Amino acid sequence: ETGVTQTPRHLVMGMTNKKSLKCEQHLGHNAMYWYKQSAKKPLELMFVYNFKEQTENNSVPSRFSPECPNSSHLFLHLHTLQPEDSALYLCASSQDGGLFFGEGSRLTVL
Amino acid sequence: RKEVEQDPGPFNVPEGATVAFNCTYSNSASQSFFWYRQDCRKEPKLLMSVYSSGNEDGRFTAQLNRASQYISLLIRDSKLSDSATYLCVVNSNQAGTALIFGKGTTLSVSS
Repeated sequence: ETGVTQTPRHLVMGMTNKKSLKCEQHLGHNAMYWYKQSAKKPLELMFVYNFKEQTENNSVPSRFSPECPNSSHLFLHLHTLQPEDSALYLCASSQDGGLFFGEGSRLTVL
Repeated sequence: RKEVEQDPGPFNVPEGATVAFNCTYSNSASQSFFWYRQDCRKEPKLLMSVYSSGNEDGRFTAQLNRASQYISLLIRDSKLSDSATYLCVVNSNQAGTALIFGKGTTLSVSS
């Protein structure tokens, strides 16, 4: 069981599709994150939101568009992705310390 | 130099062995340090924070050497269930909100 819930768990999309990943945290944390995990690579920080405000954008291509309507919800909108964007996308939350991750959304771009 | 570098591994050890993982970080201003554990096809989970004075949690001991920008994790009396990838994590900004992960070191404990 986890305090951070991600949906969908698996997603297959074509390069012309538009889809969104959703993350919800039930821990009362102030900060939320998107990370990307590709095979044989370290987790890559994509975006950080602190009290709903974006505080980090780690040079992520504009085909990834985050949205944080409140401290408990975080979205990652996807459009015109490339096959190399296939990866596990992990959402996390934190408050003054370590990260708590969701189970991830495994994305395959065809 | 990469922000966070870890021993490449994999480490293959028998049950009961003691194993140590090392990690170096490049940002001397980093303030927060953690070890995470990630099982195959699962999300990373916080194993322990690393404090300046060093800290211990059961069979696990974490050490920090700020002068050398070096963190270590020692696992004593390895169990089969310790088999996983261990990720070194360092914060990269003053607010401590941007945590940077190492590639991880894979541990395999066999009977």
